[in-house]
Amino acid sequence: GAGVSQSPSNKVTEKGKDVELRCDPISGHTALYWYRQSLGQGLEFLIYFQGNSAPDKSGLPSDRFSAERTGGSVSTLTIQRTQQEDSAVYLCASSWTRGLADTQYFGPGTRLTVL
Amino acid sequence: GENVEQHPSTLSVQEGDSAVIKCTYSDSASNYFPWYKQELGKRPQLIIDIRSNVGEKKDQRIAVTLNKTAKHFSLHITETQPEDSAVYFCAARDWGGNNDMRFGAGTRLTVKP
Repeated sequence: GAGVSQSPSNKVTEKGKDVELRCDPISGHTALYWYRQSLGQGLEFLIYFQGNSAPDKSGLPSDRFSAERTGGSVSTLTIQRTQQEDSAVYLCASSWTRGLADTQYFGPGTRLTVL
Repeated sequence: GENVEQHPSTLSVQEGDSAVIKCTYSDSASNYFPWYKQELGKRPQLIIDIRSNVGEKKDQRIAVTLNKTAKHFSLHITETQPEDSAVYFCAARDWGGNNDMRFGAGTRLTVKP
């Protein structure tokens, strides 16, 4: 079946602009995660959605970052007033959480470049 | 919250040799430990995972061991091949509590032919 998809694959923006990154999780997956991966670095947790529960926003680096998940499916990560340090690959992952192994399936990522 | 440390950051082995990557975690409540492989320019993919009720798990040339007392777990790759070259990430999560998955910083493995 279809995997996790993300759009756009690449985004170049100017400092100060807002950007929106989209994630389409695997159908039926109730959990959705956003991560950030800076060049040559590890995965930095940003935010986690589980069903209709309030999201875990503990990883968001500043109030310029926000995310929504509509209808328990598609998610949008919004970065306001982008800064150069926001440049990174933003990865989305989803998992089927029902008390079994929480295997996260990653999307291809969105490479964000802030000029 | 959970803190995961991973060593070494880079590892170079000769084809056919074994490779071992080690991770430690801080939260004793963590009970799920996956390993991801990320090839250059590609997304991370799960290669093996282990839960806290198991001490070791094997899948062909890959094995993971877990020491709950010491709070560390390791990835073992035997008979390495050039296609094993990638960045490997460990992670830890408390399944029943805080649902964050915390990743290690990654290990860049290079297998020389």
